[in-house]
Amino acid sequence: AQKITQTQPGMFVQEKEAVTLDCTYDTSDPSYGLFWYKQPSSGEMIFLIYQGSYDQQNATEGRYSLNFQKARKSANLVISASQLGDSAMYFCAIWTGFQKLVFGTGTRLLVSP
Amino acid sequence: NAGVMQNPRHLVRRRGQEARLRCSPMKGHSHVYWYRQLPEEGLKFMVYLQKENIIDESGMPKERFSAEFPKEGPSILRIQQVVRGDSAAYFCASSPPGGSDSYEQYFGPGTRLTVT
Repeated sequence: AQKITQTQPGMFVQEKEAVTLDCTYDTSDPSYGLFWYKQPSSGEMIFLIYQGSYDQQNATEGRYSLNFQKARKSANLVISASQLGDSAMYFCAIWTGFQKLVFGTGTRLLVSP
Repeated sequence: NAGVMQNPRHLVRRRGQEARLRCSPMKGHSHVYWYRQLPEEGLKFMVYLQKENIIDESGMPKERFSAEFPKEGPSILRIQQVVRGDSAAYFCASSPPGGSDSYEQYFGPGTRLTVT
């Protein structure tokens, strides 16, 4: 079975600073994918970034980067230059080819001016 | 290219009534997934469907819940005799055909079900 653990229920960061949201995973499948989604207060799920297990380089998408450490089974999200609009819930998820995503419990990020 | 559509966005039902949630996948997508998000929790997988087939329903409660994805029309998640514990956000996602390589799932805006 696959599992995602997000140990930070809440994080605070000041505007323009960088923040790291932690995610560890557990799977016995050699091929898998890791996702980060953002859920603002309006409720929709916004895809941020994807990392495949065989990808050699860490994924980046604009201000988002994924710090992928395969041996540690961690896939932390780094948001650079935080903005007020980044305040939201952030979910890490794993996909292993069985077609369903398994989500963590999320981290609530609050960006202050 | 329209995204995944869900309706209604908000649904209020009294205990014992039926709730029907609809999901229209993105154009060209033949795989549909339903997830449930209880208050203050992450999303939990419920069911995975392809046209006219239920592929994986391992996350569906054994009673009162059913899902379908007919040849024509949207996918329907049906909850019979709703109880207060069914109050949640229900998300639909779709992905293109392509077997195990089709990892991209595009989410709809969700339906917020409130049971009074």
